Parts: sequence; C-alpha cells; structure tokens
Amino acid sequence: AQSVSQHNHHVILSEAASLELGCNYSYGGTVNLFWYVQYPGQHLQLLLKYFSGDPLVKGIKGFEAEFIKSKFSFNLRKPSVQWSDTAEYFCAVNAKDSNYQLIWGAGTKLIIKP
Amino acid sequence: DVKVTQSSRYLVKRTGEKVFLECVQDMDHENMFWYRQDPGLGLRLIYFSYDVKMKEKGDIPEGYSVSREKKERFSLILESASTNQTSMYLCASSLGLMNTEAFFGQGTRLTVV
Repeated sequence: AQSVSQHNHHVILSEAASLELGCNYSYGGTVNLFWYVQYPGQHLQLLLKYFSGDPLVKGIKGFEAEFIKSKFSFNLRKPSVQWSDTAEYFCAVNAKDSNYQLIWGAGTKLIIKP
Repeated sequence: DVKVTQSSRYLVKRTGEKVFLECVQDMDHENMFWYRQDPGLGLRLIYFSYDVKMKEKGDIPEGYSVSREKKERFSLILESASTNQTSMYLCASSLGLMNTEAFFGQGTRLTVV
C-alpha cells in the first residue's frame, strides 16, 4: 500500500543540537508535501509546505525541509533546536494517487532537554 | 486567520450512547474533514465532505456517520459509541484538495466508558 513513513517515533535531543526528521513517501507524480507540528495541548499547525519550485523550503521557527524527488523524501531540519520545539511532528502528503487526500505519517515525538 | 472550532475539548460518554461532535469553520472552505488521532498511528481519515450535503468515506468510516447541512458546519456522529472509539478527534478544513493547506481545530478528546 502506498504510504508515508516517518523513521523515528521518538527523538530526544539537547538544546542547541541539530535536528533532522526523516519522511519518505511512496506516491509518484505530482505531490504536495507538508510538515505539521502539534505543541502540547495545542492544535495541529502548519510548519511548512512544498507545492512546486525550489525544493528547499523554509518554514516558521527556523525549520526547513528539502524535497528530494529521486529519494521520495521530504526531511525536516533545524540547525539548533530549542526547548520550545518539544512537540509532535507529522509529515503528510497528497497526490493524485492518493485521490488528493492527505496521507499522514505516524508522527515523531520530539523532546528537547533543557 | 482561518478558524476551525470544535464544540468540545473533552467528552466522556457511555457505551451505546449516540455522540455528536460539531465543527465550524469561518473561511468559506469547500472541504471539511474528520480525522481520528491515535498514538503511533498518525491521523486517519474518517470522512470528508467537499460540498454541502456531499460526503465521502475515508479510511475508517465504520461506526461513524457525518452530516453537512451548511457549508461552515461538519458534524461527526457516533451512532452507538464503543470503547474502541475512545480517541482524539480532529476536524479540518481546506479551500481545495491540491496546492492548499488544511487548517485544524483544537481536537476533541472523547472517552467512552
């Protein structure tokens, strides 16, 4: 079955460490790619998105992601994390092959130690 | 700012009860969605609606129904609540299906006892 895979379910980092969260998908053709974040007790909100154009996308709060079409990947990065980045991060994809529905990864819980 | 409002943050219901979860969006979005969020499973689509009175089943529609009588309101109905429907329920809306982002409500944490 076609899917979206997030490689790590839990990540623990110290403040100032660099972050990379992996996301791979299995849909061909044109895709829309998203990273959403859910801070504790808050609603899901968009971190960044890729529809077309420059494959390096910058989002809010210093996050960025790179779309690598040949690897079907859309990894999320941040050079230096802060305690306030503690949250759950979700990768999502939609495509013609998904009947244009958003297909979600299982999520990665990120804990930043102060 | 788009606002998606879910009627309750927390609900506790008894097995067998009929449960209504309400969602309202204020940006005239065509599409509305109900998801269920469970740890380690991400978000799973229950139903979506692309227009008033139109609905489509998602990945896990069993035990649920929906109603969209007005564009801004999308209701999720649990016909006879069961303990395996204890979960976080998220409503979302979007203007289109491609090249558009989804906006989410705060979620309703439903516990069925």
